[in-house]
Amino acid sequence: DTGVSQNPRHKITKRGQNVTFRCDPISEHNRLYWYRQTLGQGPEFLTYFQNEAQLEKSRLLSDRFSAERPKGSFSTLEIQRTEQGDSAMYLCASSLTGGDEKLFFGSGTQLSVL
Amino acid sequence: GENVEQHPSTLSVQEGDSAVIKCTYSDSASNYFPWYKQELGKRPQLIIDIRSNVGEKKDQRIAVTLNKTAKHFSLHITETQPEDSAVYFCAASGNSNYQLIWGAGTKLIIKP
Repeated sequence: DTGVSQNPRHKITKRGQNVTFRCDPISEHNRLYWYRQTLGQGPEFLTYFQNEAQLEKSRLLSDRFSAERPKGSFSTLEIQRTEQGDSAMYLCASSLTGGDEKLFFGSGTQLSVL
Repeated sequence: GENVEQHPSTLSVQEGDSAVIKCTYSDSASNYFPWYKQELGKRPQLIIDIRSNVGEKKDQRIAVTLNKTAKHFSLHITETQPEDSAVYFCAASGNSNYQLIWGAGTKLIIKP
């Protein structure tokens, strides 16, 4: 599969626990994005990497959220001390720079915080 | 900042008829307007996009039109088929895709 891959597909956790999601972008894509989507809404931008550098982070993003892309390939998104309001679909996308910059999305990780 | 409004929220059309979804944006500096299709439980997929130096773009049964003066753009689907049933999102951005601001989505229902 040469598309964007996300793991796990589903995560159920108790409030207060930490969770970590992984995204493997399309191999030649140097840009990677994290979005959050709730039912009936469009994706909401969280953060963005170009190679290993995190270039932008949403002002709406709580400091409980942190993302890394240590080698410029896969990325992880960690949520500490989860809250029920964190329940959502977390989508990863990747794109190329210098081209038409079309976003390719992964299937997402559905987080449920009980 | 940019704000994107999308209408209607739900659209039901007879199979074979055309469907039109409209979006308006607020930031005149926006220059990239993609449309994504998301089937239930699946990832958003880009179906067509347009840049501000073009007024219309077509790809088989799908077309997008852009009116920069009025700051609105529309998705047109002709000869609709059952597999067109999905939620469609418009988006707008200025300098880069990470600044994509999304509409709230339109649920398109194709009636047999």
